[in-house]
Amino acid sequence: DQQVKQNSPSLSVQEGRISILNCDYTNSMFDYFLWYKKYPAEGPTFLISISSIKDKNEDGRFTVFLNKSAKHLSLHIVPSQPGDSAVYFCAASAERRDDKIIFGKGTRLHILP
Amino acid sequence: ETGVTQSPTHLIKTRGQQVTLRCSSQSGHNTVSWYQQALGQGPQFIFQYYREEENGRGNFPPRFSGLQFPNYSSELNVNALELDDSALYLCASSLVGGHSGANVLTFGAGSRLTVL
Repeated sequence: DQQVKQNSPSLSVQEGRISILNCDYTNSMFDYFLWYKKYPAEGPTFLISISSIKDKNEDGRFTVFLNKSAKHLSLHIVPSQPGDSAVYFCAASAERRDDKIIFGKGTRLHILP
Repeated sequence: ETGVTQSPTHLIKTRGQQVTLRCSSQSGHNTVSWYQQALGQGPQFIFQYYREEENGRGNFPPRFSGLQFPNYSSELNVNALELDDSALYLCASSLVGGHSGANVLTFGAGSRLTVL
């Protein structure tokens, strides 16, 4: 049973445009959400997070939006750069300080020149 | 500040054998979590260790076991290997009780296990 779902296995975006990666979750106990980025032969690296008490969190080119009623979050990257090409994992946990983080299957983002 | 290091990076075993994977935590971290990432899947939580004790476990059988040492390094042991155990095993460390609040995981590059 997938509690965190990323329904797009891959996404291609032109350099300079906006990349939007989507994620849905089913567990209403989740109250903390994270995005991780993974390059080949490297471990996932933390990108950005959001608590359920917020609906938006911004860090430079990266913004995460949370819609609790729809159990949906999205990651926006503006503008997209070649170095953004990677696999992006959406993740969630039931307690903000809880490391038992549940990951989605990931979306491979390709930034086209 | 050193990151999370894992060894070995790659290994091949046969069905029924046992394997031990090792992980050194990031300096200053006190908690270690292990994840299994099968091909085309996201990381799946195996278990977490805090203060040398298991502190939560995912849906993995008892033949997956672990240890955390006083220096916060950790081992993952898998007995009676099965073909489906072939995966990338990721170790992640974090600081429980840190001032940042949220326990962001810092991952190693992983150990890729192939079971033949």
